[in-house]
Amino acid sequence: NAGVTQTPKFRILKIGQSMTLQCAQDMNHNYMYWYRQDPGMGLKLIYYSVGAGITDKGEVPNGYNVSRSTTEDFPLRLELAAPSQTSVYFCASSTGTQAGEQYFGPGTRLTVT
Amino acid sequence: GENVEQHPSTLSVQEGDSAVIKCTYSDSASNYFPWYKQELGKRPQLIIDIRSNVGEKKDQRIAVTLNKTAKHFSLHITETQPEDSAVYFCAASIRVRDNRLAFGKGNQVVVIP
Repeated sequence: NAGVTQTPKFRILKIGQSMTLQCAQDMNHNYMYWYRQDPGMGLKLIYYSVGAGITDKGEVPNGYNVSRSTTEDFPLRLELAAPSQTSVYFCASSTGTQAGEQYFGPGTRLTVT
Repeated sequence: GENVEQHPSTLSVQEGDSAVIKCTYSDSASNYFPWYKQELGKRPQLIIDIRSNVGEKKDQRIAVTLNKTAKHFSLHITETQPEDSAVYFCAASIRVRDNRLAFGKGNQVVVIP
């Protein structure tokens, strides 16, 4: 199993551009999450999904959108990128049968200039 | 919502000594408390977790203790080694239904050879 994979690893965007961060998992996990990690600030939940076709906002959803058309994929869309969105983005998944381990992807480092 | 705080923010220990990191949480309904280790440039990885029906759990040199009355839990690392140098995040479950976690801001642990 590859686990949770993310692409790209790095990206530089200009202000106002848009992009999609890709996330996929091959563990047949129903639950998936997007976090952003800023220096010294821990992990903040952006959006999450409890199954295909179901998404919900987390703590910091403004400026982002998600979709979940399949169990495996959970892309994160940035519209009109802003410098405040410079961060490291992690995707995670879990079985969700009870509160338990979240498995993280390798992350995408995004810089908006 | 759930608020998780970690202390101290940075901890330096001599190799071979013990390290203790403490987290406090605010929601008495939280019932799952994981600890994640993140090495520089890498993804967070689960190292140990505890559920609210257990007071202590050990795994080799790592242990976690939980005090539900005081709403705090601690990570104990004994016989520290240079490879223990990393950022450690504690988390607490927000809601079992969607396995959401609230993360602390992280502790930088530096093991001095």
